Amino acid sequence: NAGVTQTPKFRVLKTGQSMTLLCAQDMNHEYMYWYRQDPGMGLRLIHYSVGEGTTAKGEVPDGYNVSRLKKQNFLLGLESAAPSQTSVYFCASSVESDTQYFGPGTRLTVL
Amino acid sequence: SQKIEQNSEALNIQEGKTATLTCNYTNYSPAYLQWYRQDPGRGPVFLLLIRENEKEKRKERLKVTFDTTLKQSLFHITASQPADSATYLCALEDDYKLSFGAGTTVTVRA
Repeated sequence: NAGVTQTPKFRVLKTGQSMTLLCAQDMNHEYMYWYRQDPGMGLRLIHYSVGEGTTAKGEVPDGYNVSRLKKQNFLLGLESAAPSQTSVYFCASSVESDTQYFGPGTRLTVL
Repeated sequence: SQKIEQNSEALNIQEGKTATLTCNYTNYSPAYLQWYRQDPGRGPVFLLLIRENEKEKRKERLKVTFDTTLKQSLFHITASQPADSATYLCALEDDYKLSFGAGTTVTVRA
């Protein structure tokens, strides 16, 4: 069991560029989440999904889009990256809305 | 507005002592509360979950209390070890999602 994996681990973008972060889980979990973590601010929920084909906005959704075409994958897209999106991004999954299992994170820098 | 506050200062303690971390919240009515551990450069790892009708939960050297009247949870690490050094996050159930505090960094000195 790999658990929750994230691709890539590191990325540097220029302002205005786009990219997609991939999250995959092999635990057959229904729920999946994308968070960002900034110093002193804790984890903030960007978007989440309660099942294949569903997505919903979290606390800080602006500038991000997501898709959950397959149960095991949850994609986070940045259409036009901004320096304010420099952060560490974590994906998580859970059976229901309780204990969450986190991936190792993606460190994104936008110049 | 909703707020989750953890110890604002980092905690430095001597090995063998008990570390006590606090998590206070306002304008939440969580059905449960969780504690996670996060090591530098890694994702959070689940430690304990306590429900609103439970006063206390234990797991090995860890103990969590939950007081819905005070709107507070306390997290204790007893007989602390250098390997317990990490950041500890509290998380509240919020409409079927989790809302996280900023975390408290604990350093255990040998």
